[in-house]
Amino acid sequence: GDSVTQMEGPVTLSEEAFLTINCTYTATGYPSLFWYVQYPGEGLQLLLKATKADDKGSNKGFEATYRKETTSFHLEKGSVQVSDSAVYFCALIDTDKLIFGTGTRLQVFP
Amino acid sequence: DGGITQSPKYLFRKEGQNVTLSCEQNLNHDAMYWYRQDPGQGLRLIYYSQIVNDFQKGDIAEGYSVSREKKESFPLTVTSAQKNPTAFYLCASSIDPNGPYEQYFGPGTRLTVT
Repeated sequence: GDSVTQMEGPVTLSEEAFLTINCTYTATGYPSLFWYVQYPGEGLQLLLKATKADDKGSNKGFEATYRKETTSFHLEKGSVQVSDSAVYFCALIDTDKLIFGTGTRLQVFP
Repeated sequence: DGGITQSPKYLFRKEGQNVTLSCEQNLNHDAMYWYRQDPGQGLRLIYYSQIVNDFQKGDIAEGYSVSREKKESFPLTVTSAQKNPTAFYLCASSIDPNGPYEQYFGPGTRLTVT
């Protein structure tokens, strides 16, 4: 079945460092891909999405490009802030169900 | 403001008691979902509903029950049959179940059973 694999965390960075969180997927069809963010004690918020190959999703300085050839959707940000500390979930939806990765915790220190 | 509300934010129950978690949305979304999140893990789908008066089991439905009598409401009951009910429960909705539409999440309810 469809699945999403994310890099293990936590990812620990200093403020203004470059961020990459890796995400790869397995799907039989042509899924849409998402990144969600969860701040402590809260629900999930949609961060960005891409619906077809070579699409780039972007929001709040975060970017991810849908790479069909490598089945990847890596999350990047050029300069992280302390306020970016959260858990980030990569997810895909093929027909009707959203399938999540296990999440990657990001900790940013001043 | 449109959105999804879950109440209460924290819930405590004794073992052996059933408990119902509330989820309401005013987004006019057709589909609603319940997920369970355990520490350090991803989200697991409990139940989902694509239309009023209809719902389907997700990956971990045992020990849970739901109803969908109104479009805007999708309550989840955690029964005494659920072996390990302590978790963070998240409700979500999407505009149309038949397509790759993103899901919008509520703030969650943290249930502790002792």
